[in-house]
Amino acid sequence: EAEVAQSPRYKITEKSQAVAFWCDPISGHATLYWYRQILGQGPELLVQFQDESVVDDSQLPKDRFSAERLKGVDSTLKIQPAELGDSAMYLCASSLGLAGVEQFFGPGTRLTVL
Amino acid sequence: GENVEQHPSTLSVQEGDSAVIKCTYSDSASNYFPWYKQELGKGPQLIIDIRSNVGEKKDQRIAVTLNKTAKHFSLHITETQPEDSAVYFCAASKGNTPLVFGKGTRLSVIA
Repeated sequence: EAEVAQSPRYKITEKSQAVAFWCDPISGHATLYWYRQILGQGPELLVQFQDESVVDDSQLPKDRFSAERLKGVDSTLKIQPAELGDSAMYLCASSLGLAGVEQFFGPGTRLTVL
Repeated sequence: GENVEQHPSTLSVQEGDSAVIKCTYSDSASNYFPWYKQELGKGPQLIIDIRSNVGEKKDQRIAVTLNKTAKHFSLHITETQPEDSAVYFCAASKGNTPLVFGKGTRLSVIA
């Protein structure tokens, strides 16, 4: 069964350092999402791509976060510099379409900022 | 924007009993309502979804009901089993807007 792949699964970093997360969506899925999930809360969308284009990045803290999906397949989310409040689970999801369709989530990257 | 409230935050049931989780949404234009199950260390997994043109949907032991007038929808799990223990999230969206998730319900099924 096809799955969304994410790496690394766990990342520990010190504040002010740079971190990067990678996501490989299910083959053929044009839409890719990055979510942040704080412990005890639901996922919150950071950025949404349709192919290589950003559809929604209204909740992405652009002063320190960046995301790209250069060839419309895999994607990278970067934080520079990391802050203590960035400690969270970062989830990647993909879907066939933009709306009203199942989103398939990866296992996530657990980030701890010390 | 859309706001989704989910209750209860924790729920404990005896194995074999039913569990009900309720969500309310604020935007009457929302038309897609999925439910996700998240097990420890894993990403959320879709278990059932419903669209605004349907009032109820069932899949084996799981059912979802939608009341558009009251703007609430509920997840019903019957004959609960220990493997149903997880965190459950409801979500809502309209058109091509992103999903807005509730804060989750931690379900514990006691054997």
